[in-house]
Amino acid sequence: AQSVAQPEDQVNVAEGNPLTVKCTYSVSGNPYLFWYVQYPNRGLQFLLKYITGDNLVKGSYGFEAEFNKSQTSFHLKKPSALVSDSALYFCAVRAYNNNDMRFGAGTRLTVKP
Amino acid sequence: KAGVTQTPRYLIKTRGQQVTLSCSPISGHRSVSWYQQTPGQGLQFLFEYFSETQRNKGNFPGRFSGRQFSNSRSEMNVSTLELGDSALYLCASSPLIGPTGNTIYFGEGSWLTVV
Repeated sequence: AQSVAQPEDQVNVAEGNPLTVKCTYSVSGNPYLFWYVQYPNRGLQFLLKYITGDNLVKGSYGFEAEFNKSQTSFHLKKPSALVSDSALYFCAVRAYNNNDMRFGAGTRLTVKP
Repeated sequence: KAGVTQTPRYLIKTRGQQVTLSCSPISGHRSVSWYQQTPGQGLQFLFEYFSETQRNKGNFPGRFSGRQFSNSRSEMNVSTLELGDSALYLCASSPLIGPTGNTIYFGEGSWLTVV
């Protein structure tokens, strides 16, 4: 079965600095990879996904993610962090032939002014 | 287009009771999945329904059940509630077809507290 690891429980960055939230995955065959964000007391919001094609995927709110097949990684990035980016971020994977989506444990991003 | 709607948003139940949570998917979406979110266990997959049939099931006891209706609306039921069932229950829907078919979209969740 597919799985996702988010090695950092917490990431702290200063406003205006670049941010990276890490994700590695394990899946048989080609992966579908996703990032979601969760604000306090809310559901998860879809940010971006990789299905096929360009390894650099651009998503909502200025976020992007880079798919690296050799390292089985899908790190989320943003060139300049905002305080409003502070939230819980989840990486997820599903196999191309399976609708069961598996989520990582989440990484809490805190952006300080 | 309206998003995924979950009701109720908040509820408190007593141990031993049962609860039913409801989910209305995005219009046109035929797949509905349920997740449990707790601080200790994170997001855990409960089950997925498509065309009224359960297609996938996570590792939860039989007290957790669900169903999907012909209009794609779904309900999940938890019987004989335990304190550990206190969680945010998230419903998500997906069209399963078209360019966005593989993305699932979440509702705001139902907060269940068992006392």
